[in-house]
Amino acid sequence: DVKVTQSSRYLVKRTGEKVFLECVQDMDHENMFWYRQDPGLGLRLIYFSYDVKMKEKGDIPEGYSVSREKKERFSLILESASTNQTSMYLCASSFDGARSEQYFGPGTRLTVT
Amino acid sequence: QKEVEQNSGPLSVPEGAIASLNCTYSDRGSQSFFWYRQYSGKSPELIMFIYSNGDKEDGRFTAQLNKASQYVSLLIRDSQPSDSATYLCAVIPPSSFGNEKLTFGTGTRLTIIP
Repeated sequence: DVKVTQSSRYLVKRTGEKVFLECVQDMDHENMFWYRQDPGLGLRLIYFSYDVKMKEKGDIPEGYSVSREKKERFSLILESASTNQTSMYLCASSFDGARSEQYFGPGTRLTVT
Repeated sequence: QKEVEQNSGPLSVPEGAIASLNCTYSDRGSQSFFWYRQYSGKSPELIMFIYSNGDKEDGRFTAQLNKASQYVSLLIRDSQPSDSATYLCAVIPPSSFGNEKLTFGTGTRLTIIP
C-alpha cells in the first residue's frame, strides 16, 4: 500500500514563527504536492515538485516555500506564519504519467495565533 | 468560469437509493478524471478514475464520462450511511500534462439518510 505520512496532525504556532511541515512517501513517486484546504474554497495547490531539487509554484505560493532534497521527502515552509495561513495542509504524491492518481497524507491542521 | 465545477450540496439520499454526483469541466482537452471521497476531518481517498468515454463500474460505484458534453459523474448504488462524505471531482487538464497537476472541484457533500 502507498503510504504518505505527514510530520504532525495538529500544530499551533504564533504569528511570525517559521513553520516546517514535512511529508514523506514510501512508494518512490516522482511527483509530490502541497495543498491547503479551506471551507468553501476546496483544495488549492501551493507548490509541487516533479523531481529532487525541482519545484514549481502552484496556484497560491505566496508566503510559502518548499524543499525537496530527497525523492521521498517534501517540506513546506512558512517563512513567517500569519493568521491567514491557518488551514488544513495536505501532502500528496504520484507517479509520472497522465493517468497517475495522487495519494494523500493524513493532513496537518495548522493554527496560527 | 471555474475549471471544475460541482454542486456543493448538501445532497441528501435515502439509504438504499442511488446517489448521483455530477461534475463539469471547462477544458475540452482534459484526459484523466478522478473521484475522491473525503470524510470529515480526513484526507481525500481515491474511489474511481476514468479516462475513456462511457461507464466504468467498480462494485457499487459507477463513473460516467462524456467528453463531448464535458461532464463526469459518479453513481453510488445501494447507498449506505457510510457513503456520507464529501466527494471531490478532479481532472488533469492539458496544461498539466507532464506534471500531472490535478485541478479539483470544491466538492459535493453527500448525506445518506437511514
